[in-house]
Amino acid sequence: NAGVTQTPKFRILKIGQSMTLQCTQDMNHNYMYWYRQDPGMGLKLIYYSVGAGITDKGEVPNGYNVSRSTTEDFPLRLELAAPSQTSVYFCASSYSRHNREETQYFGPGTRLLVL
Amino acid sequence: GENVEQHPSTLSVQEGDSAVIKCTYSDSASNYFPWYKQELGKGPQLIIDIRSNVGEKKDQRIAVTLNKTAKHFSLHITETQPEDSAVYFCAPTPGTYKYIFGTGTRLKVLA
Repeated sequence: NAGVTQTPKFRILKIGQSMTLQCTQDMNHNYMYWYRQDPGMGLKLIYYSVGAGITDKGEVPNGYNVSRSTTEDFPLRLELAAPSQTSVYFCASSYSRHNREETQYFGPGTRLLVL
Repeated sequence: GENVEQHPSTLSVQEGDSAVIKCTYSDSASNYFPWYKQELGKGPQLIIDIRSNVGEKKDQRIAVTLNKTAKHFSLHITETQPEDSAVYFCAPTPGTYKYIFGTGTRLKVLA
């Protein structure tokens, strides 16, 4: 198993540009998450999904969009990049049943710089 | 919403000594208490977790203790080794999958 993979590893965007951060997991996990981590800080939840076709907002969803058309993929879309979106983005997945939290597995992250 | 604090923010210990990191939370509904380790340039990795019906859990050199009344739980690392140097995060959750991460504790193990 490759686990959770993210692409790209690093990207520089100009203000106002858009891009999609890709996330794929091969563990057949039903739950997937997107976090951002600013320097020296903890992770903040942007969006999460409990299964294909179902997404919900986390703590900091403004400026982002997600979709979950398959179990494996959970892309994160930035429509109009702003300097405040400069951060490291982590995707994670977990297998949860009976509304019980289980281990989250994180990808290696995407470092995004908006200039 | 949940307010999570970690103390200390940085911790330096000599190799072989013990390290303790404390996580304080505000939501009394929290029932799942994980600790993550993040090495430089990598994503966080779960190292130990505990659920609200258990007071203590141990896995080799790592242990977690939970005090639900006082709303805090702690990570204990014994016989520290240089490879334990990393940033550690707690992320208590009340079962809504909206994990709130602490701001992290940077642990340095001095050889």
